[in-house]
Amino acid sequence: KQEVTQIPAALSVPEGENLVLNCSFTDSAIYNLQWFRQDPGKGLTSLLLIQSSQREQTSGRLNASLDKSSGRSTLYIAASQPGDSATYLCAVGRSNNDMRFGAGTRLTVKP
Amino acid sequence: NAGVMQNPRHLVRRRGQEARLRCSPMKGHSHVYWYRQLPEEGLKFMVYLQKENIIDESGMPKERFSAEFPKEGPSILRIQQVVRGDSAAYFCASSPGQGGDGYTFGSGTRLTVV
Repeated sequence: KQEVTQIPAALSVPEGENLVLNCSFTDSAIYNLQWFRQDPGKGLTSLLLIQSSQREQTSGRLNASLDKSSGRSTLYIAASQPGDSATYLCAVGRSNNDMRFGAGTRLTVKP
Repeated sequence: NAGVMQNPRHLVRRRGQEARLRCSPMKGHSHVYWYRQLPEEGLKFMVYLQKENIIDESGMPKERFSAEFPKEGPSILRIQQVVRGDSAAYFCASSPGQGGDGYTFGSGTRLTVV
């Protein structure tokens, strides 16, 4: 059974800092891994999708890496801004159906 | 492309009533997934459907909950005889194939049982 863990559960940083969010999973036989952002009371916005054959994806100030052998992914946010404050969710896709989610990291970027 | 559409956005039901949540996937997407998010918790998988087929319902409670994705129209998540513990945000996601292109989520339906 796939278990997805995100550390830390909450993170508070001053504006401008670079930061790393961690995601680990127990079963390395994954199809893909997707990072989402969720604002309070809102839905999920997809940030980055990494296929199992890829090692990283980049979009603007965001960079996500994937190491299947160690069961880890990181989301790197450069030059953080108050608008980055949200909950970040990691989801691991299995070969033919659903994705399993971590509990999320709640990020606060202070001005 | 309107994305994944869920309605209603908010739903209030009294204990014992039925709740019907609707999800229209993105155009061209034939795979639909329902998730539940309890307050201060992560998303829990409930059910995966394709048109007229339930593929995986391993996350659905055995009683009172059912889901369908008919040939025409939206996917429906139905909760019968709701209880206070059913209060949660219910999210629908869709994908074009078997998840290889990732998921697109709707904005969710927030169910409150009073």
